[in-house]
Amino acid sequence: KQEVTQIPAALSVPEGENLVLNCSFTDSAIYNLQWFRQDPGKGLTSLLLIQSSQREQTSGRLNASLDKSSGRSTLYIAASQPGDSATYLCAVDAGNMLTFGGGTRLMVKP
Amino acid sequence: DAGITQSPRYKITETGRQVTLMCHQTWSHSYMFWYRQDLGHGLRLIYYSAAADITDKGEVPDGYVVSRSKTENFPLTLESATRSQTSVYFCASRRFLTSGRREKGTDTQYFGPGTRLTVL
Repeated sequence: KQEVTQIPAALSVPEGENLVLNCSFTDSAIYNLQWFRQDPGKGLTSLLLIQSSQREQTSGRLNASLDKSSGRSTLYIAASQPGDSATYLCAVDAGNMLTFGGGTRLMVKP
Repeated sequence: DAGITQSPRYKITETGRQVTLMCHQTWSHSYMFWYRQDLGHGLRLIYYSAAADITDKGEVPDGYVVSRSKTENFPLTLESATRSQTSVYFCASRRFLTSGRREKGTDTQYFGPGTRLTVL
């Protein structure tokens, strides 16, 4: 059974810092890995999708990497802003089912 | 505006009652999903559907029933609600991809805003 773990569970940083969120998964047989953002009381918004054959994806200040063989992904956020405060979830797609990590709750202080 | 909607957004019900959560998408996506989100468990898949009249169990299907008579709708029914079904429920959809594109992993799921269900 696929298991996805995210570290840290919570993170508080001052505005402007570069930060890294970590995601690990136990079964490397995946189609893709996705990073989502969830604001309090809201649904999930897809941030980045990395195909299994790719090593990284970038969108603005976000960069996600994937090392399938070691079962790891990182989400790098550059020059963090208070508007980045949210919960970040990674999920692996091994077919018709997404398996989610528990999330990292990020607080960026002005 | 096109997208995926859920109703109701909030629901309080009592143990033993039947309750149905609605999900509607305007993209004509083939796939639709129901997840529940709980503290300590994260998001877990309840049921999914690959097309109209085709449904399959996810990780935590017990106590739930789904149907999909139309592509755009995917209702989730709790036949006899229990307190352990208090949760936030999310519906999602994804388009169908040909096998070649599917193996490239080029799809993502689009999530609705969620329904917060409380069972007393």
